[in-house]
Amino acid sequence: DQQVKQNSPSLSVQEGRISILNCDYTNSMFDYFLWYKKYPAEGPTFLISISSIKDKNEDGRFTVFLNKSAKHLSLHIVPSQPGDSAVYFCAASRAQKLVFGQGTRLTINP
Amino acid sequence: NAGVTQTPKFQVLKTGQSMTLQCAQDMNHNSMYWYRQDPGMGLRLIYYSASEGTTDKGEVPNGYNVSRLNKREFSLRLESAAPSQTSVYFCASSEGTLAEAFFGQGTRLTVV
Repeated sequence: DQQVKQNSPSLSVQEGRISILNCDYTNSMFDYFLWYKKYPAEGPTFLISISSIKDKNEDGRFTVFLNKSAKHLSLHIVPSQPGDSAVYFCAASRAQKLVFGQGTRLTINP
Repeated sequence: NAGVTQTPKFQVLKTGQSMTLQCAQDMNHNSMYWYRQDPGMGLRLIYYSASEGTTDKGEVPNGYNVSRLNKREFSLRLESAAPSQTSVYFCASSEGTLAEAFFGQGTRLTVV
């Protein structure tokens, strides 16, 4: 039972354009959502988060949107840069457990 | 700035062998986690420890044991390794449930 799903295994975006990564979840009891970025041979690193009581959080080029009624969150990266090429994981938190999606590989093309 | 340190970085085991993956954090975090990453499966929680002296099962605990030795250290043991345990293992720590987790570099384990 995959509680957090990222249905797009990969995404290719041109440099300078917007990248939109999507994530769906099934458990309405999740109270905190996070995005992580992972480069090859490294551990995931925290990118941005949002509480379940909010619907938007922005940090520089990165914005996370939460739609609780649809149980959907998205990460927007504007403008996309070559260094953004990585695997992105969304995660949801509840009861001291952090549940991750399968990841989306983002490739930024010059 | 060590953060979360995992050892070893790479390991090859024969089926049936045992080993312990070590993890230490220097951020004074209460919570620590062990995840495994497999292609197409994302990161799956094996065990976690909300505080020193406590451990709980995650999504995929079978075949593993853990020890929260003290606040800094959280080890993962494979008593009898199986090829299905070939994976990349990540240790993480966090201040609490509503805080981001910090990850180690990972241990790439191959069981032949």
